[in-house]
Amino acid sequence: EAQVTQNPRYLITVTGKKLTVTCSQNMNHEYMSWYRQDPGLGLRQIYYSMNVEVTDKGDVPEGYKVSRKEKRNFPLILESPSPNQTSLYFCASSPGGQTYGYTFGSGTRLTVV
Amino acid sequence: SQQGEEDPQALSIQEGENATMNCSYKTSINNLQWYRQNSGRGLVHLILIRSNEREKHSGRLRVTLDTSKKSSSLLITASRAADTASYFCATAYTGGGNKLTFGTGTQLKVEL
Repeated sequence: EAQVTQNPRYLITVTGKKLTVTCSQNMNHEYMSWYRQDPGLGLRQIYYSMNVEVTDKGDVPEGYKVSRKEKRNFPLILESPSPNQTSLYFCASSPGGQTYGYTFGSGTRLTVV
Repeated sequence: SQQGEEDPQALSIQEGENATMNCSYKTSINNLQWYRQNSGRGLVHLILIRSNEREKHSGRLRVTLDTSKKSSSLLITASRAADTASYFCATAYTGGGNKLTFGTGTQLKVEL
């Protein structure tokens, strides 16, 4: 089944403790992206990647890092999480950026206390 | 950031009725897309309409695009309880890089 897989589904952590949210897609998509969703703010893009080793900032990149060492994987790294990063996070992929529809993962609900 | 705005924010209808949601945006686009999100779950792509298209259909969905008014509408005909979800428009802005910009969504509730 074609899908984007995120892990974990739920995560509670403490301020300052580094964490990684994994994202993997099995569709050989070139483009991958991370969004966060907050009430009243909709989805905001954090980072995106057009291909292996090519990443770029979205609208809200502060406090996040990403890497794209393999085509299928696009992990989101929070080096020092803070409570304002409590949110619902989505990974998405597409064959080629905005020209195509995105396939979304099921989401990761992160709480930073 | 540039965002599409959906209208209304919330909509409640009876099963069998049609549901119409609107999206307005600010600058020229390459395409506009509609997504559905069931509570707390991932978004599901519904339909993509390009800037040179005026109308598109997919099953019970009908999307229109008016680039002169910078607006789009999503019509769901003969709605079902299973259509209860949030619906988002996403715009691919010309010169906006390779990203989609999402609005804040319309919450649709279809009652039996």
